[in-house]
Amino acid sequence: GESVGLHLPTLSVQEGDNSIINCAYSNSASDYFIWYKQESGKGPQFIIDIRSNMDKRQGQRVTVLLNKTVKHLSLQIAATQPGDSAVYFCAESIQGGKLIFGQGTELSVKP
Amino acid sequence: NAGVTQTPKFQVLKTGQSMTLQCAQDMNHNSMYWYRQDPGMGLRLIYYSASEGTTDKGEVPNGYNVSRLNKREFSLRLESAAPSQTSVYFCASTPSGLYGYTFGSGTRLTVV
Repeated sequence: GESVGLHLPTLSVQEGDNSIINCAYSNSASDYFIWYKQESGKGPQFIIDIRSNMDKRQGQRVTVLLNKTVKHLSLQIAATQPGDSAVYFCAESIQGGKLIFGQGTELSVKP
Repeated sequence: NAGVTQTPKFQVLKTGQSMTLQCAQDMNHNSMYWYRQDPGMGLRLIYYSASEGTTDKGEVPNGYNVSRLNKREFSLRLESAAPSQTSVYFCASTPSGLYGYTFGSGTRLTVV
C-alpha cells in the first residue's frame, strides 16, 4: 500500500554538526517529494522539495537526496543550529497533489 | 501577505456539540485541504477540494463535513463532536499538484 515512513523517530545532534534525517517510501509511482519542518505549536513549514527526475537538490544549508532504487529520501542539514530543533516530516505526492505524510522525526540540537 | 488563516486557534467542545472550523487563503490557490494531527502520528487527510466547487474524502472523513464556500474559503464542520476528534487541525492550500502546500497555524480542538 501507499506509505511513507521514517527510520528514526528522534535524532539528537550537537550544534554545528551535520544532521541526516531519513525517510522510506513505498509507492514507486510517486513523483514528487517534500520535506516539512514543524516547530512546536506551529503548522508545517515547507523546507525543500525534489521531483523524481532528480537525485539531489540543494537549498540553503539543506540538501535532499532521492534514491529511487531503494525508495529512500534523506534530508541533510549542514551546521545544525538550535533553531533547527523541530519535527521533520517527509511527504510524497500522489495523484496530482494529495500528500501522504510520514510520522515525523524529532530533531534535538544540543548547544 | 497572510497566507493561510485558520480560526479559531483553540476550542473546547462538549461531546455532541457542533462547530465549524474556518480556513481562508489569500494566495489565489486552487486546491485546499484539511488534515488532523494526533500525537505520535503524521498528518492525516480528512477532506480536500481540488478546485472551487469540488470536494472529496480523504483518509479519515467520518464525522466531518466540508464546504468550499468560494476559492478563498474552505470550512470543516463537526456535526456531533466526539472525544476521538480531539486533535490539532490544519488547513493547507496549493496552486496545484505540482507544488507543496502552505499550511495554516492550526486549530487545537479538545472534545470533553
